[in-house]
Amino acid sequence: TQLLEQSPQFLSIQEGENLTVYCNSSSVFSSLQWYRQEPGEGPVLLVTVVTGGEVKKLKRLTFQFGDARKDSSLHITAAQPGDTGLYLCAGILTGAGSYQLTFGKGTKLSVIP
Amino acid sequence: KAGVTQTPRYLIKTRGQQVTLSCSPISGHRSVSWYQQTPGQGLQFLFEYFSETQRNKGNFPGRFSGRQFSNSRSEMNVSTLELGDSALYLCASSIRTSGDSGQFFGPGTRLTVL
Repeated sequence: TQLLEQSPQFLSIQEGENLTVYCNSSSVFSSLQWYRQEPGEGPVLLVTVVTGGEVKKLKRLTFQFGDARKDSSLHITAAQPGDTGLYLCAGILTGAGSYQLTFGKGTKLSVIP
Repeated sequence: KAGVTQTPRYLIKTRGQQVTLSCSPISGHRSVSWYQQTPGQGLQFLFEYFSETQRNKGNFPGRFSGRQFSNSRSEMNVSTLELGDSALYLCASSIRTSGDSGQFFGPGTRLTVL
């Protein structure tokens, strides 16, 4: 059973379109992180959200942490080919007694010029 | 500041052999974590080291082991390789052991077991 479910698994859109990817769990997380990974590279941290209901913006990317801290979303406005990559969410469970990051399987985004 | 470096970048081994992978964290980072990434399972946590001590361990068999040196560099070892061990092995460093500081990943070592 995957602790963090990401949807959709694959997404192919045209340049200029908007999109939202989701990261859901039945567990509560003390914080959640989003990473982007490009082929042949390791994941790169985009943002960390720690407060329920928190919204963070990074240029055209908007990240939201659910009120109950069980889910998160990433919205991209006017997608560009440079946004292509694997988007991963990762969380730290509340009260787990450790700070182990648990990753979702990711959403593979392709932005077509 | 130099990023996380991993060596080698690519490795081909046969079943039954053993392999050692190396990771040099960002200067000043004392926590090093290792992950296995496969298309089917995604990123799975192997273990984390902080100040030469293993702090956390994932659900992997004892064939997977690691260590950290006093300069924070880390190695992981896989003995008696199996075909299923073929994967991208990623190392990540962070300033402290609490994961909320975010992790900085290296480019990975692509291991192929034949």
